[in-house]
Amino acid sequence: SQQGEEDPQALSIQEGENATMNCSYKTSINNLQWYRQNSGRGLVHLILIRSNEREKHSGRLRVTLDTSKKSSSLLITASRAADTASYFCATDEQGGSEKLVFGKGTKLTVNP
Amino acid sequence: DTEVTQTPKHLVMGMTNKKSLKCEQHMGHRAMYWYKQKAKKPPELMFVYSYEKLSINESVPSRFSPECPNSSLLNLHLHALQPEDSALYLCASSYDPSTDTQYFGPGTRLTVL
Repeated sequence: SQQGEEDPQALSIQEGENATMNCSYKTSINNLQWYRQNSGRGLVHLILIRSNEREKHSGRLRVTLDTSKKSSSLLITASRAADTASYFCATDEQGGSEKLVFGKGTKLTVNP
Repeated sequence: DTEVTQTPKHLVMGMTNKKSLKCEQHMGHRAMYWYKQKAKKPPELMFVYSYEKLSINESVPSRFSPECPNSSLLNLHLHALQPEDSALYLCASSYDPSTDTQYFGPGTRLTVL
């Protein structure tokens, strides 16, 4: 079963604009991660935020986590055409599971 | 070396064939994973190996048989597959058998005829 659900499913923006993607999940977690996948290729880890953190930055990426609402957002600022990809959130389940469960993903298209 | 490699990149096989997918990492990671990803869907976990021992099998059909010969290598043996098994097969590794950062290989695109 899927733990994370992203929205929107697809997002199309112009270069230079900001892109915001959201993820909701169902159970308590230890951490939440965001991954990126270029078409038909492997996933690349972007950022991990732990359940006791509320916000994290990495370059042009900003991730927030609201455990009370069981939701997270990924903001990409000043987007570039090279940011075009699918973005997935992934969560574990509190209790030490080795299993990561991925959300359905958001397909981001950045138009030049 | 921060790379997970997978071979082959593409594989086409018939339903009676036997083939293997290979995954390798030299990062000293102690956990390795196989995922299956269908088009426009998220990756779905198939198997987890922790310290070279199978720790999770997500009720995967026996026509998929994983093997971990050593801490750097992970194989997926395929036999009598069905056309619906066509997908992108992703290997990943992580330092700990926990749910911290996983490093993914580029995947093997499998087509079953």
